[in-house]
Amino acid sequence: GIQVEQSPPDLILQEGANSTLRCNFSDSVNNLQWFHQNPWGQLINLFYIPSGTKQNGRLSATTVATERYSLLYISSSQTTDSGVYFCAVGDAGGTSYGKLTFGQGTILTVHP
Amino acid sequence: NAGVMQNPRHLVRRRGQEARLRCSPMKGHSHVYWYRQLPEEGLKFMVYLQKENIIDESGMPKERFSAEFPKEGPSILRIQQVVRGDSAAYFCASSLTSQGASGNTIYFGEGSWLTVV
Repeated sequence: GIQVEQSPPDLILQEGANSTLRCNFSDSVNNLQWFHQNPWGQLINLFYIPSGTKQNGRLSATTVATERYSLLYISSSQTTDSGVYFCAVGDAGGTSYGKLTFGQGTILTVHP
Repeated sequence: NAGVMQNPRHLVRRRGQEARLRCSPMKGHSHVYWYRQLPEEGLKFMVYLQKENIIDESGMPKERFSAEFPKEGPSILRIQQVVRGDSAAYFCASSLTSQGASGNTIYFGEGSWLTVV
């Protein structure tokens, strides 16, 4: 099956710093989503981005499907950004684009 | 505009009991997915259902686990004779179609946390 690797596994920042999270995947995808799992366990959709670039406030994401990677940018980080960031992809040959393979996540800690 | 609704949010069961987790998809969505997040592990796909049909159950354990999505009512994930290793967060997701188009995001519920004692 498709493999998803995220880096770095852990990231510690001071409030106000910028960061880039990376997601590499091993095969063609029909879906790529970034999620934030907050300390209460809730999974929050950040971006649906199988290709191209999107921005939402302090967050932006870019997926280069031909090179099989995606980047999530967090600017001016805040303590509320802490949590785990997951990249998840849908295999282009799969039964549905909702059948996602998740990476292991990046644990982000933002200190005040 | 309610999102994906899961209940119960937290469930405690003794070993050997049955656990039933419910998921109501977003309004208009007829595709439902169940995922499991075991402690210290990432989220793993379990099953994909459409109304009255199981489309892909390649991630479901072979025994004790079953899922349904009836014509009326929520999708149910059923775990029989629970064991401690079933303790996990179970997430449900829904989509409008089976193919991404026009930015159709997969929406996740807030999860159901099962603890087996």
